[in-house]
Amino acid sequence: KNEVEQSPQNLTAQEGEFITINCSYSVGISALHWLQQHPGGGIVSLFMLSSGKKKHGRLIATINIQEKHSSLHITASHPRDSAVYICAAPNRDDKIIFGKGTRLHILP
Amino acid sequence: DTGVSQDPRHKITKRGQNVTFRCDPISEHNRLYWYRQTLGQGPEFLTYFQNEAQLEKSRLLSDRFSAERPKGSFSTLEIQRTEQGDSAMYLCASRWDVYGYTFGSGTRLTVV
Repeated sequence: KNEVEQSPQNLTAQEGEFITINCSYSVGISALHWLQQHPGGGIVSLFMLSSGKKKHGRLIATINIQEKHSSLHITASHPRDSAVYICAAPNRDDKIIFGKGTRLHILP
Repeated sequence: DTGVSQDPRHKITKRGQNVTFRCDPISEHNRLYWYRQTLGQGPEFLTYFQNEAQLEKSRLLSDRFSAERPKGSFSTLEIQRTEQGDSAMYLCASRWDVYGYTFGSGTRLTVV
C-alpha cells in the first residue's frame, strides 16, 4: 500500500462542474503538497499546507491532520484545468512520497 | 531567487549516449532531491543530498546513474549509456530543514 493514496485515478467532468480530488496518507507529515502537471509539461506547485485551508483563484485545498486526509477542489472547472494532479508528502525518512496522480479531463 | 530551475527542459538522445541534467535549487536550501517519473506513474525517489553529501540512493539508481552536488549548491544527474527505459521526467526538489519543498519543473528525457 502506497503511503500516499489518491482518488479517483481518472476523472472526466463537464465544464463548470465542481471538482474534488482526494488524498489520504499514512505518514506523519509536516506539510502536504498539491502539484499540477499538464500533458507533456513540467510540474507546478499549487499548494503547500500543514493545516486548515488555502485558496488560490478557483482552487481550494483543505487538510485534516487528525484524519490524515486532504482534498483539492476546483470550482467552475474549465478545459484548461485538464491535467494530472498529484499530492505529495514527506515521510519520516524525509523523502517525499508522491501519490500516483489523478488525471482530470474537463470537457467543453 | 526564482525557485528551483532545471536544465534542459527537454532532452532527446540516442540510445547509448550519455546525458547530464542540472538542477539549481533555491540558494538557502540545504537539501536537494532527485525523482524520476515514468509515464502514468507518480514520481519515484532516486537520491538526495544534504549540502554536498549524498545521503541516500535508491535501488532505482543503477550504476549508469550518478549524481553530484559538488559545492552544496547546484546538482547534476548523469546517465551513461542511456537505454529506452530511461525515458522519463526527471524532477528535482529542494528544501530547508523542516520547511516545505520547492519543486523544479522537471527535465523530460526521451531516448530514441
